[in-house]
Amino acid sequence: DIQMTQSPASLSASLEEIVTITCQASQDIGNWLSWYQQKPGKSPQLLIYGATSLADGVPSRFSGSRSGTQYSLKISRLQVEDIGIYYCLQAYSAPWTFGGGTKLELK
Amino acid sequence: QVTLKESGPGMLQPSKTLSLTCSFSGFSLSTSGMVVSWIRQPSGKSLEWLAAIDWDGDKYYNPSLKSRLTVSKDTSNTQVFLKITSVDIADTATYYCARTVFNYGRGYFDYWGQGVMVTVSS
Repeated sequence: DIQMTQSPASLSASLEEIVTITCQASQDIGNWLSWYQQKPGKSPQLLIYGATSLADGVPSRFSGSRSGTQYSLKISRLQVEDIGIYYCLQAYSAPWTFGGGTKLELK
Repeated sequence: QVTLKESGPGMLQPSKTLSLTCSFSGFSLSTSGMVVSWIRQPSGKSLEWLAAIDWDGDKYYNPSLKSRLTVSKDTSNTQVFLKITSVDIADTATYYCARTVFNYGRGYFDYWGQGVMVTVSS
């Protein structure tokens, strides 16, 4: 199985701050990487697909990038509504696997 | 508008069979390219992809659980089912179904249900 190592596990940031979360794939997954946001008590919601494409309705302060087998999610100006847990997913090779999650809190 | 909703027993005893239903609207599973997946999440933990079924009835399973899983769909193509046999405490989780964008075995989940919590306890 492809392992997705997500970091950091938790992150405390201030409003308007730039936040970056990364996922390292254990092997090549091309651009088959997506990012999800999960707010407390809610189901995950798609943010980014294809490593860099913004899902419909997602604010433009979210962006995704790729460097080799490392993938990053960037929030350019943190807002209160961005608080939650973020997960990456590789869907290049079955079984599709998620990262361990990053819990984002307000400082 | 795409919506999905999971339903299940809430609680069941170890060694029993768990039956889950995903009812959806806003798309049809008879449409070429449509796929619905099941994903679960133990409380406080990450997510695990379990299984998927496509418009053509092809099924995909997580090898780690394959022997215990059965995914199926109804003839009206508005519901997907998941059965997990011989459950134990480790199967306690919130179970989600999700519409899946699928391209030759690769994709992502674009719409999720609200999830159904399942507790395995004697």
